Amino acid sequence: DAGVIQSPRHEVTEMGQEVTLRCKPISGHDYLFWYRQTMMRGLELLIYFNNNVPIDDSGMPEDRFSAKMPNASFSTLKIQPSEPRDSAVYFCASSLRSGGKWYEQYFGPGTRLTVT
Amino acid sequence: GNSVTQMEGPVTLSEEAFLTINCTYTATGYPSLFWYVQYPGEGLQLLLKATKADDKGSNKGFEATYRKETTSFHLEKGSVQVSDSAVYFCALSANSGYALNFGKGTSLLVTP
Repeated sequence: DAGVIQSPRHEVTEMGQEVTLRCKPISGHDYLFWYRQTMMRGLELLIYFNNNVPIDDSGMPEDRFSAKMPNASFSTLKIQPSEPRDSAVYFCASSLRSGGKWYEQYFGPGTRLTVT
Repeated sequence: GNSVTQMEGPVTLSEEAFLTINCTYTATGYPSLFWYVQYPGEGLQLLLKATKADDKGSNKGFEATYRKETTSFHLEKGSVQVSDSAVYFCALSANSGYALNFGKGTSLLVTP
C-alpha cells in the first residue's frame, strides 16, 4: 500500500491567494483527518470525516478554511484567501473502524505551506 | 475538555542512555493513549498505544504504561540509539470519537 498521499509537499504562495491541499487516504479506510502543525500551537485537529461526511469541523480556524471529501479516495483542504499566519505543515491522516474496534491513524508526509 | 501535557524539550542524551519522556493527560471517560514519533521531514508514525488502565504498550524497545491513578503515560527506553532522534508526541483519543488530542511534542537528540 502506498500509504496516505498528500500533494503538494511544499507550497509557497502570496497573501490573498487561494491554496488547495490534497489528500488521498489509504484504500478502505473510512475516517479521514486534517491536522495543522505549528511551532506555537503544536498539532491541531482541523476537521475529520467519516464515510466522506464531515463529523467535526470545530477546529477549522475560520471561514477562510473549507474542506471537502467528494469520494472515499480524495479530500481537499482549501484556504481562501490565504494569510501569513496560515503558514504551517498540514497533515492528512486516515484510519479504519471495523467491528467496533478502532485502528491506528496513518499520517501522510504533510504539506509545508508558506504564505508570504 | 481533553488535553495532553508532555515535558518540553529538547532532550539531549548520549547513546545508550536511559530515556524518560513524561506525559500526563486530562480526559473524561476512559481514553486510549498513544505515543507517536515524527522523524525529520516525515509524517507521524504510531510508536505504541494502550487502551485501558494498567496496559503497557511496547515497540522497538520503547515502553509506556497507562496509569489511571496518576493520569500518566510516560515513555521509556532503556538504551537509546542515534536513530531514535526524533520528535515524540503523546496523544489521547476519548471514548466519544477517534480524533486525537496531541501534546506539544518533545524533541529528542541522541549523540554518539
